[in-house]
Amino acid sequence: QITLKESGPTLVKSTQTLTLTCSFSGFSLSTTGVGVGWIRQPPGKALEWLALIYSDDDKRYSPSLRSRLTITKDTSKNQVVLTMTNMDPVDTATYFCAQKGVSRNWFDPWGQGTLVTVSS
Amino acid sequence: EIVMTQSPATLSVSPGERATLSCRASQSVSSNLAWYQQKPGQAPRLLIYGASTRATGIPARFSGSGSGTEFTLTISSLQSKDFAVYYCQQYHDWWTFGHGTKVEIK
Repeated sequence: QITLKESGPTLVKSTQTLTLTCSFSGFSLSTTGVGVGWIRQPPGKALEWLALIYSDDDKRYSPSLRSRLTITKDTSKNQVVLTMTNMDPVDTATYFCAQKGVSRNWFDPWGQGTLVTVSS
Repeated sequence: EIVMTQSPATLSVSPGERATLSCRASQSVSSNLAWYQQKPGQAPRLLIYGASTRATGIPARFSGSGSGTEFTLTISSLQSKDFAVYYCQQYHDWWTFGHGTKVEIK
């Protein structure tokens, strides 16, 4: 069974850097073709893809947020970390991580998500 | 960036009726399209991938169709558990989501 779980601060201040961790089980990020992505959802709004890291350490970022995002992985710990710099209240959202499977470019399954509030 | 447009924004349907949700891509995504269901306070759940293939455990009342730029998700006979928000997502060129269709009880 594949599970993912997000962790990190629930509250950050404007201009601070957000660091979120996705801890997963049931698969390995050393398996060729596997990836872990981050997606966020502001309250009452739509989903927005942020970043994805592949097993070979290739990385993809949303063009609109590329300059603020960094995604890394620790294969031995089964973790993926997302950092987002210069946080703003508009970044208040639930942040999800999800698996991209081998030869599967959709996201399944997803973690439960973690709500991050940015205060001014 | 490929823009995904979903319609309608809200769909009011009575239990037992059919629901038809639309999703349009700003350029062709071939069949690289997925549908997700999201209930309040929950993570999205994969329903359909490859535009028409049901994910594991998804009931047959959910069906997807289309290719290129026009896609449809059909729920043949709505059950109370199906009232939720539905998102389409293209994975042809990176990943983008539509803004969702809320299916509510009429």
